[in-house]
Amino acid sequence: QKEVEQDPGPLSVPEGAIVSLNCTYSNSAFQYFMWYRQYSRKGPELLMYTYSSGNKEDGRFTAQVDKSSKYISLFIRDSQPSDSATYLCAMSGNQAGTALIFGKGTTLSVSS
Amino acid sequence: GAVVSQHPSWVICKSGTSVKIECRSLDFQATTMFWYRQFPKQSLMLMATSNEGSKATYEQGVEKDKFLINHASLTLSTLTVTSAHPEDSSFYICSALTLEHEQFFGPGTRLTVL
Repeated sequence: QKEVEQDPGPLSVPEGAIVSLNCTYSNSAFQYFMWYRQYSRKGPELLMYTYSSGNKEDGRFTAQVDKSSKYISLFIRDSQPSDSATYLCAMSGNQAGTALIFGKGTTLSVSS
Repeated sequence: GAVVSQHPSWVICKSGTSVKIECRSLDFQATTMFWYRQFPKQSLMLMATSNEGSKATYEQGVEKDKFLINHASLTLSTLTVTSAHPEDSSFYICSALTLEHEQFFGPGTRLTVL
């Protein structure tokens, strides 16, 4: 079993839809959870950053972490064509300077 | 968020030559930077962890002598691909770690080896 599992999609939704992206993981030591957005041929852009369990909201984006289920989610409300990109979940342990473990990324396409 | 730059953004070189890629944290100091490689439609693969003032830590399967990393200051890490070959053609991305454990990525460098 891989440390981080993420459905690669592709996921196609109409403009205005609510998008749900998910990752599961196996390492209970993970404490830091992040979501990145990556456009083609660009570096990943940090969208959401959560420490331990709970929810975090930023504009149209909501990140949820359920450590008991080893499951994290990113919700995008009122999706826009500009949200079309690959979304990568990433996580790391509690040690300072620990590298991130990435999911494979989910490709999202929002049609107008 | 914090800004990380990379230079060059793309480079084409002949087989057998060496290529240096720079990664800079522009508005914060980073004792730790990471180097990743990404092939088309694949996720990021960690190559090495770069710590300021000490030797880099390489992931299994990554050749230390081929991918030279130097973290010369708190804002600069360099990756040198030595004796590059066509199979080294890839998208190389660096990231820098803040004190709050956030990782910010550079825009990436596309290397094409002819």
